[in-house]
Amino acid sequence: NAGVTQTPKFQVLKTGQSMTLQCAQDMNHNSMYWYRQDPGMGLRLIYYSASEGTTDKGEVPNGYNVSRLNKREFSLRLESAAPSQTSVYFCASDWDGSYEQYFGPGTRLTVT
Amino acid sequence: EDQVTQSPEALRLQEGESSSLNCSYTVSGLRGLFWYRQDPGKGPEFLFTLYSAGEEKEKERLKATLTKKESFLHITAPKPEDSATYLCAANSGGSNYKLTFGKGTLLTVNP
Repeated sequence: NAGVTQTPKFQVLKTGQSMTLQCAQDMNHNSMYWYRQDPGMGLRLIYYSASEGTTDKGEVPNGYNVSRLNKREFSLRLESAAPSQTSVYFCASDWDGSYEQYFGPGTRLTVT
Repeated sequence: EDQVTQSPEALRLQEGESSSLNCSYTVSGLRGLFWYRQDPGKGPEFLFTLYSAGEEKEKERLKATLTKKESFLHITAPKPEDSATYLCAANSGGSNYKLTFGKGTLLTVNP
């Protein structure tokens, strides 16, 4: 089992460009999450999907959109990247929001 | 608002020198307290889940304990490979599907 996979691993964007971060899990988990991690701020939830077909905002959703493509895949889209979105992005999944979450390896994004 | 505070921010130990990391939490109706290990450039790796006060979990040199207000991660006779950032997170009944993370403790174990 690969667990949670994310692509790409690194990305550099110019201000105003758009991109989609991809995430997939092979653990048959129902819930999936997108976090960002910044120095001194800890992990902050951007969006989550409790189950296939549903998505909800987390703590810092502004400037992002998500799509739960199917049970395995959950993508995060930046429509118009800003320098404030420079961060490391992690995708995670779990059974139903009550159990431990399993994280992917992260995407390091720099917006210039 | 749910809050999770970890201390110290950084801890430097000599190999074999036991110590503890603290995680204080203020949440409405704790459903689970989680400990993760994060190595540089990698995603958090799950270590333990604790559900009720008095519960303890162990894995190799690590033992996690839980009270009604805080959790401790005890590290016994650490080795250099235990060096990492340790994250604590709480899942409360008032914020289903959402984990509140602390900022982590950076542990360095010198040989």
